[in-house]
Amino acid sequence: RKEVEQDPGPFNVPEGATVAFNCTYSNSASQSFFWYRQDCRKEPKLLMSVYSSGNEDGRFTAQLNRASQYISLLIRDSKLSDSATYLCVVDTGGGNKLTFGTGTQLKVEL
Amino acid sequence: EPEVTQTPSHQVTQMGQEVILRCVPISNHLYFYWYRQILGQKVEFLVSFYNNEISEKSEIFDDQFSVERPDGSNFTLKIRSTKLEDSAMYFCASSADRGRETQYFGPGTRLLVL
Repeated sequence: RKEVEQDPGPFNVPEGATVAFNCTYSNSASQSFFWYRQDCRKEPKLLMSVYSSGNEDGRFTAQLNRASQYISLLIRDSKLSDSATYLCVVDTGGGNKLTFGTGTQLKVEL
Repeated sequence: EPEVTQTPSHQVTQMGQEVILRCVPISNHLYFYWYRQILGQKVEFLVSFYNNEISEKSEIFDDQFSVERPDGSNFTLKIRSTKLEDSAMYFCASSADRGRETQYFGPGTRLLVL
């Protein structure tokens, strides 16, 4: 089983749509979880950390289910500028090492 | 806003040559990292560094790789004898602490080995 697994997409959605991404991780000892965003040929940038209770930042909501080792990201009212690759990231090294999923590509269209 | 910087942005080298990739982490950060991303593939961890020592390294980070913090601001990755398969984007990152603290990534150095 891959350490961090994501559906690669692409997800093609119209502007204003709600889209959800899922991710599973294999290391049950993982403590920290993140969603990063990566634009084409650019560096990963933190979108949000993911907390056990779930957390929201504007149009973005992240959820964590430790029992199922599952992380999700919901984007509401998607904008053209949301088009990017969304990376599910898990800290698998006690704070020393981030393990990335392959990313899910999102294309928001007019 | 403080940011991680990396130089050069692009480097082309011949197989077997040594390359040094440079990074300037965010100034008050204490933890430093190198990652790489081969074109079309996922970001992969190489090494983490704290208090002038390697904290953790991956299987990719073999004897051909080394890291150094030569002064108070720079953090370098050296590849002693480059191979074709070392061609990738190399990202430096830094964080103020471990765990939940965000790792901030630099813009990357695109390395092409011919």
